[in-house]
Amino acid sequence: EIVLTQSPDFQSVTPKEKVTITCRASQSIGSSLHWYQQKPDQSPKLLIKYASQSISGVPSRFSGSGSGTDFTLTINSLEAEDAATYYCHQSSSFPWTFGQGTKVEIK
Amino acid sequence: QITLKESGPTLVKPTQTLTLTCTFSGFSLSTSGVGVGWIRQPPGKALEWLALIYWNDDKRYSPSLKSRLTITKDTSKNQVVLTMTNMDPVDTATYYCAHTRGGSSAFDIWGQGTMVTVSS
Repeated sequence: EIVLTQSPDFQSVTPKEKVTITCRASQSIGSSLHWYQQKPDQSPKLLIKYASQSISGVPSRFSGSGSGTDFTLTINSLEAEDAATYYCHQSSSFPWTFGQGTKVEIK
Repeated sequence: QITLKESGPTLVKPTQTLTLTCTFSGFSLSTSGVGVGWIRQPPGKALEWLALIYWNDDKRYSPSLKSRLTITKDTSKNQVVLTMTNMDPVDTATYYCAHTRGGSSAFDIWGQGTMVTVSS
């Protein structure tokens, strides 16, 4: 089973600041890494697929990068509405797995 | 527009079998590459992938839960059913179904989720 480890677990950030969340896989997964945003009491929402592919309707301040074992989700110029927990997810091999989540709080 | 909605009991007793139904619209589970997966989330905890069924009836399960899970599809009804046997309080969670397309793709559309509590 591929283990995904996100860092940090929690981040408190001021608006307009840049946020960087990393996801490290226990073995190479190519680009089969996806990012989701989950706000309280809501379902997860796909932000980025295949490490860096943007999703229609998702603000351009969200971007992703990486391949192999190390991946990054970047939020440029954080907005108040971005307060949420962010998860990475690998679909390279079964069982599919998720990271433990990174909670982003707005100061 | 793709939508999915989970339904099932909100409360089950320990040792009982849970049956959840995902009813979807906007796509067909007979279309090549399409899949529907189940993911759960205990209160305050992370997402956990459970199972996935593809258009060609290929089924995949979480190894840790494989002995307790069964996933099936009814293409004519646009439904996917997940059964989980021998329920335990640790299975208390919100259960989501979600759409995916392509062998190794993301879950692009999620249902609203259904909360299941396991308690006597």
